[in-house]
Amino acid sequence: EVRLLESGGGLVQPGGSLRLSCAASGFFFSSYAMSWVRQAPGKGLEWVSIISDSGDSTDYADSVKGRFTVSRDNSKNTLYLEVNGLRPEDTAIYYCVKDQYCGSHSCSPPDYWGQGTLVTVSS
Amino acid sequence: DIVLTQTPLSSPVTLGQPASISCRSSQSLVHSDGNTYLTWLQQRPGQPPRLLIYKISNRFSGVPDRFSGSGAGTDFTLQISRVEAEDVGVYYCMQATQFPRTFGQGTKVEIK
Repeated sequence: EVRLLESGGGLVQPGGSLRLSCAASGFFFSSYAMSWVRQAPGKGLEWVSIISDSGDSTDYADSVKGRFTVSRDNSKNTLYLEVNGLRPEDTAIYYCVKDQYCGSHSCSPPDYWGQGTLVTVSS
Repeated sequence: DIVLTQTPLSSPVTLGQPASISCRSSQSLVHSDGNTYLTWLQQRPGQPPRLLIYKISNRFSGVPDRFSGSGAGTDFTLQISRVEAEDVGVYYCMQATQFPRTFGQGTKVEIK
């Protein structure tokens, strides 16, 4: 059974930092890209970041570029998101998503989501 | 960025009746590998999103066959053949053809 367990959220002041973690189990973690997606209270979904299976390639939404850093430790089956320079508009539930595995002709879909961890940015 | 526009944004449905949600993309979602990476997600109240449909029309593991997806290019549809009480929630389309990944605004399905 695929499990994704996020942690590290909390209340932080504007300008502050947090490190979010996502512990993965039930699949070959090192074979899949992984993403972070966030959802502000009562709002829709916003893709934040992706990291390749090996960790050597990353991409970010423009809204977080230069402030957030995604990384992974395949030996620990864990995904991370360093969030710096936090703003009130970063307040959201942050979801960890098991993303694509790409073969020679096709990619699997982003398919499993964690329960999320809430980040609240407020003074 | 690719913009996905869903209609309607709200869909009150009678139990046992069908529901249909449209997702229109600002550009073709056909990837260079020939696949179209359009997915549909369901988010029940208080829950994380759950994958329903991938690559336009493929039902994910455990998804009831009353859910179906169709479309091509820039126009896609999610259909629920007979709405059940457990189908209440918000439905999102999402494209994984191009970065950044983008989502539709969401369509709220509720029971009349």
